[in-house]
Amino acid sequence: NAGVMQNPRHLVRRRGQEARLRCSPMKGHSHVYWYRQLPEEGLKFMVYLQKENIIDESGMPKERFSAEFPKEGPSILRIQQVVRGDSAAYFCASSPNRVNQETQYFGPGTRLLVL
Amino acid sequence: GENVEQHPSTLSVQEGDSAVIKCTYSDSASNYFPWYKQELGKRPQLIIDIRSNVGEKKDQRIAVTLNKTAKHFSLHITETQPEDSAVYFCAASSWGKFQFGAGTQVVVTP
Repeated sequence: NAGVMQNPRHLVRRRGQEARLRCSPMKGHSHVYWYRQLPEEGLKFMVYLQKENIIDESGMPKERFSAEFPKEGPSILRIQQVVRGDSAAYFCASSPNRVNQETQYFGPGTRLLVL
Repeated sequence: GENVEQHPSTLSVQEGDSAVIKCTYSDSASNYFPWYKQELGKRPQLIIDIRSNVGEKKDQRIAVTLNKTAKHFSLHITETQPEDSAVYFCAASSWGKFQFGAGTQVVVTP
């Protein structure tokens, strides 16, 4: 049973470019969460999605950031017109069922570096 | 919204001694409290969790306690070993939305 998969593991972008981060949840999991982690800091919640729905995006910046979790395929976190402050590790996590308090399992993260 | 505070931010312990990390939360609706261990450059990994209907849970050298009245919970690591060195994060969850503490850097010295 493969765990949560993320790709790419490392991504380098120049200011103004777009970054697309992908997350495939664990098999059987229909809930995906995205977090951002700055160096030597904690995990900051960004967005919670179920298939084809954004449930909670209260932690996501209003501009340049968007997320989706289509019916088929991985969840995508998209950052448009990246700036240096976007450099961070982006982790996604998945869980099978929110209501039953199931824990979240994390992927290996994508480390984004904006030059 | 939920606010989770975690102390201390760094903890240095001698191998074999115990380590205790404490977290407080603000949202009384929080009902699930996991602890994650993150080694440098790696993903956070769940080490233990506790639900609001339980006061204490133990798994080998790791234990977690929860005081719902005071809204705090703690991680206890006994007989620490060098491989316990990592950053530990607590979290409080209400309906699946996790709020993480800022993390505790634990260093176990031989």
